[in-house]
Amino acid sequence: EVQLVESGGGLVQAGGSLRLSCAASGFTFSDHHMDWVRQAPGKGLEWVGRTRNKVNSYTTEYAASVKGRFIISRDDSKNSLYLQMNSLKIEDTAVYYCTREKYSYDSSGLDYWGQGNLVTVSS
Amino acid sequence: QSVLTQPPSVSAAPGQEVAISCSGSSSNIGDNYVSWYQQLPGTAPKLLIYDNNKRPSGIPDRFSGSKSGTSATLGITGLQTGDEADYYCGTWDSSLSAGQVFGGGTKLTVL
Repeated sequence: EVQLVESGGGLVQAGGSLRLSCAASGFTFSDHHMDWVRQAPGKGLEWVGRTRNKVNSYTTEYAASVKGRFIISRDDSKNSLYLQMNSLKIEDTAVYYCTREKYSYDSSGLDYWGQGNLVTVSS
Repeated sequence: QSVLTQPPSVSAAPGQEVAISCSGSSSNIGDNYVSWYQQLPGTAPKLLIYDNNKRPSGIPDRFSGSKSGTSATLGITGLQTGDEADYYCGTWDSSLSAGQVFGGGTKLTVL
């Protein structure tokens, strides 16, 4: 059974940093591109960014709203995905989801989602 | 402002059918596959449709997807009260600011 379990969320002051982790199991982690998607309270889904798989050299891409502040990384030996969030802003407050891309082409769909991890940025 | 445009809400009676539209542009829907997600209250989104019209294992055939040009549609037949949820369309945008893009979501009410 595929499982994605996030950890590391919580309350942080504006300007601070936080690191989210996502532990994956039930599938060959290194085969898949992995994405972070967030959802502000009462709002819709917003893509944060992704890391491609090993075959695609682990390249990363980011949404304009987080580029230069957030870093996505992965450790295939630990089946884990990470999101390092720096220079946090109040508008980064959201539930952050770890997701798996179904196939290795850009629009294949996100077929598994973690339970979500709330990050609250206060002033 | 979401890149993809969905109606904020739709409603229908149990047993009826509903269609949810998703409008985009040539750099996203026009050039890529569309996915649909269902988010029940208080839960994570779940993939309903991928590659425009394919259902993952376990998704009933009451759910269907289609795409034409720069628009896509999610169809749900035989509505059940358990279908009350937010529905999002998503795809890849191949423009300079490439990335996954989503619609703003449609709240389905089963009256």
